[in-house]
Amino acid sequence: EVQLVESGGGLVQPGGSLRLSCAASGFTFSTYWMSWVRQAPGKGLEWVANIKPDGSTSEKYYVDSVRGRFAISRDNAKSSLYLQMNYLRAEDTAMYYCTTSQGAYWGQGTLVTVSS
Amino acid sequence: DVVMTQSPLSLPVTLGQPASISCRSSQSLVHSDGNTYFNWFQQRPGQSPRRLIHRVSNRDSGVPDRFSGSGSGTDFTLKISRVEAEDVGVYYCMEGTHWPQTFGGGTKVEIK
Repeated sequence: EVQLVESGGGLVQPGGSLRLSCAASGFTFSTYWMSWVRQAPGKGLEWVANIKPDGSTSEKYYVDSVRGRFAISRDNAKSSLYLQMNYLRAEDTAMYYCTTSQGAYWGQGTLVTVSS
Repeated sequence: DVVMTQSPLSLPVTLGQPASISCRSSQSLVHSDGNTYFNWFQQRPGQSPRRLIHRVSNRDSGVPDRFSGSGSGTDFTLKISRVEAEDVGVYYCMEGTHWPQTFGGGTKVEIK
């Protein structure tokens, strides 16, 4: 059974940092492009970042609103995906989902709240 | 960025009746590899999104055959042949050909 389990969300002050993690199992993680997608409360879905299967620096993509503040990475040996989020803003408040890049598999999400 | 425009925003349907959702992209979704990376997702209340259809018309495993996808280029449609109570939720189209990958705004399906 495919599982994606996110962790690391929580309440953080504006300007703060958080690191999200996603533990994958049940599929060959190292062969999939992986992504983070977020959903602000009561809003639609927004793609945040993508990373190539081998995790190469040249094949990471970010939506404009997070580029320079967020960093996606992966550890294929641990079948894990990460999202380092720095300089957080109120508008980053959302449920963050770990997913394969074409959306075949999704986690349950981890909630990030940016507020003073 | 590619803009995905879904319609309608809200879709009240009678149980057992058909339903149709449209999605239009601002540019062609045909990838240089010849594939069209266009997907449909269902998000039931309080749940994570679930992919229903990938590459325009391919049903994902476990998806009932009452769901079907069609279209090409920039115009796509999701059809539900006979709506059931479990189909209530928000449906999103998504293009995966370009970066950033973008979602439509969503269509809320509810029972009349």
